[in-house]
Amino acid sequence: GAGVSQTPSNKVTEKGKYVELRCDPISGHTALYWYRQSLGQGPEFLIYFQGTGAADDSGLPNDRFFAVRPEGSVSTLKIQRTERGDSAMYLCASSFGKTGLKYFGPGTRLTVT
Amino acid sequence: GIQVEQSPPDLILQEGANSTLRCNFSDSVNNLQWFHQNPWGQLINLFYIPSGTKQNGRLSATTVATERYSLLYISSSQTTDSGVYFCAVDGGGFKTIFGAGTRLFVKA
Repeated sequence: GAGVSQTPSNKVTEKGKYVELRCDPISGHTALYWYRQSLGQGPEFLIYFQGTGAADDSGLPNDRFFAVRPEGSVSTLKIQRTERGDSAMYLCASSFGKTGLKYFGPGTRLTVT
Repeated sequence: GIQVEQSPPDLILQEGANSTLRCNFSDSVNNLQWFHQNPWGQLINLFYIPSGTKQNGRLSATTVATERYSLLYISSSQTTDSGVYFCAVDGGGFKTIFGAGTRLFVKA
């Protein structure tokens, strides 16, 4: 596609439920990143993929968060047993190589009630 | 880790005014990007500028890597320039570290 796409654009879920957020990177981009942005703050790094493998997952806040990129393209961020504190905008970005210009998707706004 | 500080935190301009936004970073970086986040949350690339000066229309940016700062210049501001401007740097590794942003409001 022309840019990074993310689905859904909005997700409202109840505390304790499981959610999946999807990211489709720009075709040909090898690097993929997930970020989380809370209201009034800058995005915070969660995880970075180079190809299919998670090269750096040090930003994941706890073991309820997990992400996969099985074929080196689309990625899914998975959150188990959601908590109200997980409410935020989840942003995905991709780049051609780890030092390339990053392009961000429109984000998924997650609200946990 | 690398610290990124942006100033000012908030800025209100009259349409047509010029402004300078600053980004200081605490260590050497591999690259630096400026983004504009529009009111719908979309982060839009403005500049990829690890060093030197670039210009794109009414916007320009300068990064002085040896002194660990970058400046974003907005000339003849328009209401559509409103939003949040982020500076983001890559140090060692793959993380991009964002500053807290400068919130700009341009009045008509």
